[in-house]
Amino acid sequence: GDQVEQSPSALSLHEGTDSALRCNFTTTMRSVQWFRQNSRGSLISLFYLASGTKENGRLKSAFDSKERRYSTLHIRDAQLEDSGTYFCAAANTGNYKYVFGAGTRLKVIA
Amino acid sequence: GALVYQYPRRTICKSGTSMRMECQAVGFQATSVAWYRQSPQKTFELIALSTVNSAIKYEQNFTQEKFPISHPNLSFSSMTVLNAYLEDRGLYLCGAREQLNTEVFFGKGTRLTVV
Repeated sequence: GDQVEQSPSALSLHEGTDSALRCNFTTTMRSVQWFRQNSRGSLISLFYLASGTKENGRLKSAFDSKERRYSTLHIRDAQLEDSGTYFCAAANTGNYKYVFGAGTRLKVIA
Repeated sequence: GALVYQYPRRTICKSGTSMRMECQAVGFQATSVAWYRQSPQKTFELIALSTVNSAIKYEQNFTQEKFPISHPNLSFSSMTVLNAYLEDRGLYLCGAREQLNTEVFFGKGTRLTVV
């Protein structure tokens, strides 16, 4: 079946540092969406990409437009409030089902 | 803007009873609605994908008999968890989109506790 492999599963960053999360897809995907899950469980949409890159403040996301087999989420100058669990979800080209990655638990420390 | 209201936000039901959750789309046409479950410490599992005027497609391990879904129009969908037991606890999310190749808007989730 479709698989979304998200890495790393957990990440600890010092304030002010940069890092990147990645999702690899075992099949070609049409689009990808990145979320942060807040403490109440709600998903906050960060980016939706059908191709290329998008940037919002300290966050930047890219979706491999050629092979459509991976996406990245870059966090620049990490802040304490960036802590949380991040998920990617990708839509299969054929059936459009949205499949979630396993999530990345990010902890930013002072 | 596009929003999805999901309710209730949390519910507690006795083992063996049923509960229903609903999603209302505002600001766009919810042509396609997907229901997910996040079990404790896990990721989001797709339960079923519903498209208006098409059959609802359930994923393996999920059935219509256990999770009946209604999607009667372009703004509303509901799902019931029948005969809920401990393994059904978790956070249930609906995600709706206007077209199959557009952004998915999620509700805030319904947290189900079974006692």
